[in-house]
Amino acid sequence: DAGITQSPRHKVTETGTPVTLRCHQTENHRYMYWYRQDPGHGLRLIHYSYGVKDTDKGEVSDGYSVSRSKTEDFLLTLESATSSQTSVYFCAISERETDTQYFGPGTRLTVL
Amino acid sequence: GQNIDQPTEMTATEGAIVQINCTYQTSGFNGLFWYQQHAGEAPTFLSYNVLDGLEEKGRFSSFLSRSKGYSYLLLKELQMKDSASYLCAVMDSNYQLIWGAGTKLIIKP
Repeated sequence: DAGITQSPRHKVTETGTPVTLRCHQTENHRYMYWYRQDPGHGLRLIHYSYGVKDTDKGEVSDGYSVSRSKTEDFLLTLESATSSQTSVYFCAISERETDTQYFGPGTRLTVL
Repeated sequence: GQNIDQPTEMTATEGAIVQINCTYQTSGFNGLFWYQQHAGEAPTFLSYNVLDGLEEKGRFSSFLSRSKGYSYLLLKELQMKDSASYLCAVMDSNYQLIWGAGTKLIIKP
């Protein structure tokens, strides 16, 4: 299994508060991704990174920002959480953009 | 727009065979992936097809027809542990994965 961890695994927060989720990998893979998963929807890409300090937007990037200051860490920030951001968030990694993506265990976020 | 369609839910019997279909319309095609996801867990990779035909991996096989925009995942000798959701995803021309909503497979004894 790919060495990917996410923290926290569960979080409950209130509307309007900032939240940061962390993804950490030990595989030295270049590409890292943040997805959200909601019932009735497929996984949706929020942001991705193709190297240190190199990031780009995905399909549902509004309300989210990311940072990657080290190869192994990719942070997802909700500047001001809203109830519509209640979801399960998955981080994934791949060595090249065409390669299979491997997923972390997920973070369940509830915004009240 | 881009679209991946798969049945929402299927039921099968332990020991039997089940076929999960996936149809897609995407901007470009750079391969099709199948993942398994048990409830409350992360998706795990099952198979990858980029050329037409059948790829076999133990009890699981995956088929692709690019001209028809169609794939299926075939599971043989079903076991109770195969109860899970099965996700179909297509890599588009921008090398981004477009995901179906998943098929929940229920295995009955």
